[in-house]
Amino acid sequence: QVQLQQSGPGLVKSSQTLSLTCAISGDSVSSNTTTWNWIRQSPSRGLEWLGRTYYRSKWYNAYEVSVKSRISISPDTSKNQISLQMNSVTPEDTAVYYCARGYYGMGVWGQGTTVTVSS
Amino acid sequence: QSALTQPPSASGSPGQSVTISCTGTSSDVGGYNYVSWYRQHPGKAPKLMIYEVSKRPSGVPDRFSGSKSGNTASLTVSGLQAEDEADYYCSSYTGSNNFVVFGGGTKLTVL
Repeated sequence: QVQLQQSGPGLVKSSQTLSLTCAISGDSVSSNTTTWNWIRQSPSRGLEWLGRTYYRSKWYNAYEVSVKSRISISPDTSKNQISLQMNSVTPEDTAVYYCARGYYGMGVWGQGTTVTVSS
Repeated sequence: QSALTQPPSASGSPGQSVTISCTGTSSDVGGYNYVSWYRQHPGKAPKLMIYEVSKRPSGVPDRFSGSKSGNTASLTVSGLQAEDEADYYCSSYTGSNNFVVFGGGTKLTVL
């Protein structure tokens, strides 16, 4: 059974960097049959896909256009986890952040991390 | 504003069927058979109910079905049960740089 366990601070100051991790159990971050995603959800923006990382003989990333200049999603094969870093955050980035596994359908989700950006 | 358009609310009585629509464009819903549907209870993470338009993950009851016509996808929930009361979101692969887009969500009420 695949499980995703998220960790990271719930409070970040404006202009600083948001950092979250997603530990994977029951699967390998290096699997060549799936992708590892970050999604966020807020009342004002709804569900918003942020990006993904995946391995197909080499590592690939894909990012949503509106955040592409500010985010990085990285795999850590030694810890079997992925991480999200978003820099220059503003209160608009306040949301529940989720990691999720899947390509054309995300079937396993982390528990969610509520991140508040203080001004 | 979400990329995919869903009605904000839907309702039905126990045992009845309800259909939720999800309208996009030829660049997402209409262009690919990669529409998925998620159910989300308050305070919980979304749960995948349908993927690739009409496929059900293991463990999802066959009361849930999906279809697509042109730029509009639909989720039908048959034999409504109290546990079906939740928010439902559609999602689609898109050929643009967004890669994945979501609908704004539909709140399903079981009367």
